Amino acid sequence: GENVEQHPSTLSVQEGDSAVIKCTYSDSASNYFPWYKQELGKRPQLIIDIRSNVGEKKDQRIAVTLNKTAKHFSLHITETQPEDSAVYFCASRPNQAGTALIFGKGTTLSVSS
Amino acid sequence: GAVVSQHPSRVICKSGTSVKIECRSLDFQATTMFWYRQFPKQSLMLMATSNEGSKATYEQGVEKDKFLINHASLTLSTLTVTSAHPEDSSFYICSASAVRYSNQPQHFGDGTRLSIL
Repeated sequence: GENVEQHPSTLSVQEGDSAVIKCTYSDSASNYFPWYKQELGKRPQLIIDIRSNVGEKKDQRIAVTLNKTAKHFSLHITETQPEDSAVYFCASRPNQAGTALIFGKGTTLSVSS
Repeated sequence: GAVVSQHPSRVICKSGTSVKIECRSLDFQATTMFWYRQFPKQSLMLMATSNEGSKATYEQGVEKDKFLINHASLTLSTLTVTSAHPEDSSFYICSASAVRYSNQPQHFGDGTRLSIL
């Protein structure tokens, strides 16, 4: 089955700096890669996603890049703010109806002002 | 947008109690719903895939007799933790995808925090 590795497990940055979180996946059939932000005690919130026919996607301060050959994808947050502090999870899923997302282990991002 | 409602949000009960958690898709039909468990400071671990009108598919290591799943309609799946014990205390969260869109985001419920005394 699919295995998703996520690094780093913790990341501390100064406000205004950029943050990068990287994930690798094992199943070459995977073609959907979302990123979720989870605040303590709350459900994961989808912040951005990318499909395998796209190499990069951007939404304001957040961007995701995908390298299908290498089977890795990354989340980039620019101009970080204290409210970006949370746990971020990457996930992947094959293009198959009824298949669940498989999550990475998460990255705790701390943005200090 | 797609909304998934999960109830209850919090349960505190004695060891040996069975607890039922409901997951509803409010504005779309979901042939498939997923149940995850999340221990503190850990990731979401898939427990089972719930298919409407058929038996759930459980992940390796998840006891199907312990975690009963019923998906009787296109908008409702339930997870029953039978004879719960303290080690079952966790954050349980469901998610669903719309029938019409097989490759669309999974929408999550708000989760249920289960505490077994």
